[in-house]
Amino acid sequence: DAGITQSPRHKVTETGTPVTLRCHQTENHRYMYWYRQDPGHGLRLIHYSYGVKDTDKGEVSDGYSVSRSKTEDFLLTLESATSSQTSVYFCAISEEGIPEAFFGQGTRLTVV
Amino acid sequence: GNSVTQMEGPVTLSEEAFLTINCTYTATGYPSLFWYVQYPGEGLQLLLKATKADDKGSNKGFEATYRKETTSFHLEKGSVQVSDSAVYFCALMPDTGRRALTFGSGTRLQVQP
Repeated sequence: DAGITQSPRHKVTETGTPVTLRCHQTENHRYMYWYRQDPGHGLRLIHYSYGVKDTDKGEVSDGYSVSRSKTEDFLLTLESATSSQTSVYFCAISEEGIPEAFFGQGTRLTVV
Repeated sequence: GNSVTQMEGPVTLSEEAFLTINCTYTATGYPSLFWYVQYPGEGLQLLLKATKADDKGSNKGFEATYRKETTSFHLEKGSVQVSDSAVYFCALMPDTGRRALTFGSGTRLQVQP
């Protein structure tokens, strides 16, 4: 299995609070991604990174920010959590020359 | 933009039945195509892939063929088992532009003994 660790694995937070999810990889892959999974929508891209300090928005980026200060870590921040951000969040990694992406185990976030 | 459409679920089959899950895509150029599987409570695992037209990906008895002319990548298995019960996602990775997977909505498969 690809060395991807997401933390925390589960979190319950209150509306309006900031939340940070962490993705850590040991594969030294260039590309890192944050997706959210919701019933009926599959996985949708929130943000991705193509190198240290190089990030770009995905299709559902509103209300989220990211940072990548080291190759191995990609942080996703919900600036002010809302109930619509209750979801399962997956981190993924990929590399040049490898067509697929590899996924972490996911973080289940509940905003109450 | 890129998109993936796969059949709605759930699909319920008896053990040893034949499985087909349809997947079609929209993308420019020559994307790579994938099927990922998600077992209950777990992350996504790559099931199989195909990187060019007419390639057949296969793994664990599952197969899918990259059909450029019909923009399809249907998943098939000749004889399903209870342990195949999971959610299956079709996805593509473009060969140009933003390097990120685009997913279909997923199809839940339930196999009954």
